[in-house]
Amino acid sequence: GNSVTQMEGPVTLSEEAFLTINCTYTATGYPSLFWYVQYPGEGLQLLLKATKADDKGSNKGFEATYRKETTSFHLEKGSVQVSDSAVYFCALIPNTGGFKTIFGAGTRLFVKA
Amino acid sequence: DGGITQSPKYLFRKEGQNVTLSCEQNLNHDAMYWYRQDPGQGLRLIYYSQIVNDFQKGDIAEGYSVSREKKESFPLTVTSAQKNPTAFYLCASSISGQTYTEAFFGQGTRLTVV
Repeated sequence: GNSVTQMEGPVTLSEEAFLTINCTYTATGYPSLFWYVQYPGEGLQLLLKATKADDKGSNKGFEATYRKETTSFHLEKGSVQVSDSAVYFCALIPNTGGFKTIFGAGTRLFVKA
Repeated sequence: DGGITQSPKYLFRKEGQNVTLSCEQNLNHDAMYWYRQDPGQGLRLIYYSQIVNDFQKGDIAEGYSVSREKKESFPLTVTSAQKNPTAFYLCASSISGQTYTEAFFGQGTRLTVV
């Protein structure tokens, strides 16, 4: 079946540190891949997405590259800020006729000043 | 501005009561969803709907009910049969049938049983 696996959190970093949150997926064919962010007490917001292999999604300094060969979509940011503290969800939509989003468990990020 | 509105933001329920959470969208999306989020956990799908007057059970539908009488509205009722209803509930919508488009989320309703 289709699934998403994320690294467990929490991840705690100092301001200006480099961030990587690992995400791997299981799906047939070429799913669309997404990263969502959830700030405390709020709903999820789309952070970035990629719809085909080797695509790079980017937004607000965050990047992720769709790697078909390793079935991965790792989230990176070169220099995190305190305001980046949130929960990050990796997700996919399979291209096999379904339209429901399948979410990973989420990774909580704490950034210290 | 287009978006999804959930109300109320906080809701308290007594044991044995049914409560209804509201979700309205003006994005003209066909598909709508309800998720439950427990502390420190991911999202679990309760119900979803692709078109008006049609909906399907998700992974944890027991103790919940929904209706989809209008395209814009997808209310969720948490019934007394739901044994552990305290959670954060998220409503979302998307363009049905498009695998490359993202889901749009409301701000959530935090339900607490007192």
